[in-house]
Amino acid sequence: DIQMTQSPSTLSASVGDRVTITCRASQSINTWLAWYQQKPGKAPKLLIYKASTLESGVPSRFSGSGSGTDFTLTISSLQPDDFASYYCQQYSSYSPTTFGQGTKVEV
Amino acid sequence: QVTLRESGPALVKPTQTLTLTCSFSGFSLDTPGMSVTWIRQPPGKALEWLALIGWNNEKYYSASLETRLTISKDTSKNQVVLTLTKVDPVDTATYYCARVPGTMSGILVYYHALDVWGQGTPVTVSS
Repeated sequence: DIQMTQSPSTLSASVGDRVTITCRASQSINTWLAWYQQKPGKAPKLLIYKASTLESGVPSRFSGSGSGTDFTLTISSLQPDDFASYYCQQYSSYSPTTFGQGTKVEV
Repeated sequence: QVTLRESGPALVKPTQTLTLTCSFSGFSLDTPGMSVTWIRQPPGKALEWLALIGWNNEKYYSASLETRLTISKDTSKNQVVLTLTKVDPVDTATYYCARVPGTMSGILVYYHALDVWGQGTPVTVSS
């Protein structure tokens, strides 16, 4: 199975900060990587797919980059609505697909 | 508008079988490349993928749970059903279903990201 390692697990930041979350795959997944945002008590929401393509309706302050094994999610200027948990997911294979362990962005 | 909604019991006793239903609208599981998947999240923990069923009835399961999981679809009802046998307290989680669009390349399907999720249904396993 492809393992996904996210870092950091928790990130303390302030409104206006530039925030970067990293995700590393245990083997190459090309650009088959997605990022999700999850708020407490809510379902995850797709932010980015194919490593860098912004899902429709997602603010442009979110961006993704990377290919192969190393990926990043960047929030260019953190907004109050962005305090949440973020997960990466590899979908190079659905047998199985795997998620990272999550990053909580807090004040 | 694409929507998915999970339903099932909130409380299940250990050793029983859990049956969850995902009812969806706004898309069809008859569409080539389309699929629905199940994910769960124990309280305070990360997302865990469980199973996927495709338009052509192709099925994938989590290796660690494969012997206990069954996924099926009823295209006429726009429903996907997940059963988990012999539940244990460690199966306590919120269970989500989600749509997974795919791209056809000949007979192969390349599944993509989970683009629309249900709201989730919490399940507690306790005697």
